[in-house]
Amino acid sequence: DTAVSQTPKYLVTQMGNDKSIKCEQNLGHDTMYWYKQDSKKFLKIMFSYNNKELIINETVPNRFSPKSPDKAHLNLHINSLELGDSAVYFCASSQERGGKYTGELFFGEGSRLTVL
Amino acid sequence: AQTVTQSQPEMSVQEAETVTLSCTYDTSESNYYLFWYKQPPSRQMILVIRQEAYKQQNATENRFSVNFQKAAKSFSLKISDSQLGDTAMYFCACLNNNAGNMLTFGGGTRLMVKP
Repeated sequence: DTAVSQTPKYLVTQMGNDKSIKCEQNLGHDTMYWYKQDSKKFLKIMFSYNNKELIINETVPNRFSPKSPDKAHLNLHINSLELGDSAVYFCASSQERGGKYTGELFFGEGSRLTVL
Repeated sequence: AQTVTQSQPEMSVQEAETVTLSCTYDTSESNYYLFWYKQPPSRQMILVIRQEAYKQQNATENRFSVNFQKAAKSFSLKISDSQLGDTAMYFCACLNNNAGNMLTFGGGTRLMVKP
């Protein structure tokens, strides 16, 4: 069983379109994240949700809207796609232990988004 | 804000030899964690090793060990007996518990293990 699964794994679309990437984790973790990895492999956090509540929202354009219907799912919707949105998007999850996060993230396989 | 710097964009090593990847970080927090993550060509990020800042003893995981120099804010990864499967991007990362579990990554080092 895949611990953190993302769909689709590859997505090619035109500028201006709206697209979604779905993420599900079966680890029972309470926190989920979206990270963006650009063409130079630089990884940067976009959002963090804890038990369906937004915790971290790094300077991400309003065109990106995360949605967490329950603590096992965190979807990413992107409106009006731009060329610069082309990247690999990683979903991840983690679990708080004893009131603290230990930083061990479990990552999905990534979704490569290409905007033409 | 915290920053993580990996000064070696690319490295190569012969199979069975030892290689050390460098990482420096900057944080104003006293309680933090440091990590090395591996990203093979398959893209999936995998945790290699973790170090709690309050622990002086260097973490080890089989062939992987770290050299944690807290005063110098240095956290290097040593891979012993390198294997072809170690070929990957390696990312150093720092977690500040007071920043909502936000993991800050370095720019990565591409390691090639040659047969």
